[in-house]
Amino acid sequence: SQTIHQWPATLVQPVGSPLSLECTVEGTSNPNLYWYRQAAGRGLQLLFYSVGIGQISSEVPQNLSASRPQDRQFILSSKKLLLSDSGFYLCAWSAPKGQGIHEQYFGPGTRLTVT
Amino acid sequence: GEDVEQSLFLSVREGDSSVINCTYTDSSSTYLYWYKQEPGAGLQLLTYIFSNMDMKQDQRLTVLLNKKDKHLSLRIADTQTGDSAIYFCAESSWADKLIFGTGTRLQVFP
Repeated sequence: SQTIHQWPATLVQPVGSPLSLECTVEGTSNPNLYWYRQAAGRGLQLLFYSVGIGQISSEVPQNLSASRPQDRQFILSSKKLLLSDSGFYLCAWSAPKGQGIHEQYFGPGTRLTVT
Repeated sequence: GEDVEQSLFLSVREGDSSVINCTYTDSSSTYLYWYKQEPGAGLQLLTYIFSNMDMKQDQRLTVLLNKKDKHLSLRIADTQTGDSAIYFCAESSWADKLIFGTGTRLQVFP
C-alpha cells in the first residue's frame, strides 16, 4: 500500500532563516506531487506541483521554491523565511494523469511557525 | 478561473443529519470529492462522485450532485461528535490539479 511521509512535524524558525521541508512517498511510481499551505482557519493554497523528476510548476509567486530530486521525493525550501510563511504545510500525491480518479492523498503536515 | 465555494460553518446536534453544500464553476469537472480534516492533521478522502452520477451513498454518507446548477452536497446521517472537523469539497477536470473549496467547519454538539 502507498504511504506518504512528511518531516519535520513541527518547526519553529526565526525570520530570515532557511527552510527545508521534505516529503516522500512509498509504494507507488511516478506520482504527481503537490505542496499546499493552509493558513490558520483558512483553506488550502496550492504552492507547487510536479508531474516528474525536475518538473516543477509554481502556482503562486512567493518566497518559496520546490524541488524533486528523486521520483518519490519532494522538497519545499526557502532561503530566508518571512513571518507570512507561517502555516500548516501539506504534501500530497496522486496517480499520474490518465490513471485513477485523480484523487489526492495527503501527508500528516508540517506546522511551521516563523518568529 | 475555476472556483469552488462553501459556507464556513455548520453546527448540528448529535444524532441529527448534517448537510454541507458546495458550488463550483468549472463545467468540465469530471470528478468531485469530499475530504475531511481533523485538527492538526492532513486531509482524508471521504468519498467522490463522477460527474455523470446524481447520487452516491456510502454508509452514513450521501453525496448529491446537481450538474446543471453545479451544486454538490454531502449529507452525514446520525452525526456524531467524531464527525466534527473541516470538510473540503474539490473538483477536477482532466488536469493534474484539484481545485479545493474554502472548507466548512462542522461542529457537533451533544
